[in-house]
Amino acid sequence: AQRVTQPEKLLSVFKGAPVELKCNYSYSGSPELFWYVQYSRQRLQLLLRHISRESIKGFTADLNKGETSFHLKKPFAQEEDSAMYYCALSDIQGAQKLVFGQGTRLTINP
Amino acid sequence: DAMVIQNPRYQVTQFGKPVTLSCSQTLNHNVMYWYQQKSSQAPKLLFHYYDKDFNNEADTPDNFQSRRPNTSFCFLDIRSPGLGDTAMYLCATSRYRGEGAEAFFGQGTRLTVV
Repeated sequence: AQRVTQPEKLLSVFKGAPVELKCNYSYSGSPELFWYVQYSRQRLQLLLRHISRESIKGFTADLNKGETSFHLKKPFAQEEDSAMYYCALSDIQGAQKLVFGQGTRLTINP
Repeated sequence: DAMVIQNPRYQVTQFGKPVTLSCSQTLNHNVMYWYQQKSSQAPKLLFHYYDKDFNNEADTPDNFQSRRPNTSFCFLDIRSPGLGDTAMYLCATSRYRGEGAEAFFGQGTRLTVV
């Protein structure tokens, strides 16, 4: 079965410090991994996906199949990064539905 | 401009009284999803439509039903809500299923069963 684990419910860092939000998954097939973000009073929206290999708002995430991880990183946190972050997995060969982790609330302190 | 619109934003209903939540989209996407998100938990997929093809999750209670009369609209019907159905209900769409498919979410409907 597909499973996504985000071990940290809360993460607090100071502005300018590096940020890493952890995500581990379990899935036997070919997964596609995403990070979704929800800013205060806004809807859940896509931040980035592993197949794009892009950097969005300074965030990057690398899929590590050996460690089954997809950690989200940013070298220098900004106050506007404060939000709820969800890691999600989609089975690209099966039902292709999104399975979410529990989310990490990131707070950037000034 | 809102592309996935959920109504109402907040709904309070009595235990056992049927309730319907609404979702509409202006994206002309093929796929529409309903998620349930309880406090401090991950969004959990209830079911989804691929065009008119309905796909129910194995663990979705029978109490939960859905209708998609056309491409733009999808409804979530809860026939006899229990207190445990208090949650945020999220509607999402995607253009297709498969590699690279991005899900677009509505603002959600916060349902409280009293």
